[in-house]
Amino acid sequence: DQQVKQNSPSLSVQEGRISILNCDYTNSMFDYFLWYKKYPAEGPTFLISISSIKDKNEDGRFTVFLNKSAKHLSLHIVPSQPGDSAVYFCAASGFNFGNEKLTFGTGTRLTIIP
Amino acid sequence: DSGVTQTPKHLITATGQRVTLRCSPRSGDLSVYWYQQSLDQGLQFLIQYYNGEERAKGNILERFSAQQFPDLHSELNLSSLELGDSALYFCASSVNTGNTEAFFGQGTRLTVV
Repeated sequence: DQQVKQNSPSLSVQEGRISILNCDYTNSMFDYFLWYKKYPAEGPTFLISISSIKDKNEDGRFTVFLNKSAKHLSLHIVPSQPGDSAVYFCAASGFNFGNEKLTFGTGTRLTIIP
Repeated sequence: DSGVTQTPKHLITATGQRVTLRCSPRSGDLSVYWYQQSLDQGLQFLIQYYNGEERAKGNILERFSAQQFPDLHSELNLSSLELGDSALYFCASSVNTGNTEAFFGQGTRLTVV
């Protein structure tokens, strides 16, 4: 039962353009969402998070949008840079017992084309 | 550097053997999580400890066990190893539990031959 889904396994974007990565979730008890970036053979690196009381959170070139009614979140990277090429995982958690750990999606491999 | 330390970085062992993976969380973090990543797939949650107590369990095999010690470091024990156990094993830590960022170590690459 995949509670967090990233339906696009890969995405290619021209350098300087906007990258949009999408994520859907099914568990209505999730109320905290995160994005991680992962390079090969390294641990995931935390990028940005958003609480369910917000619908947008910005940090530099990274913005996360949350649509609770659609159970959908997205990560926007503007402008995209070659160093952004990596696998991006979305993750979700909740405060209630049993949902406190991070549940991850399957990841989207982002390739930035110079 | 996330502040989470995992040892060893690489481990090669034979089928049927037992190994122990070690994780030191970030200073001040009470919660430790273990994840498995096989063949560039997603991160599968194994188990979580919070301040020494088991907090949540995922799809962890009975051959696998873990514990968190009083100094908050954690160990993941894998026994009767099979070829399919070859994977990257990640440890993560967070200050508390639920709705908080977790920070990951560099992982232990386990190869079972």
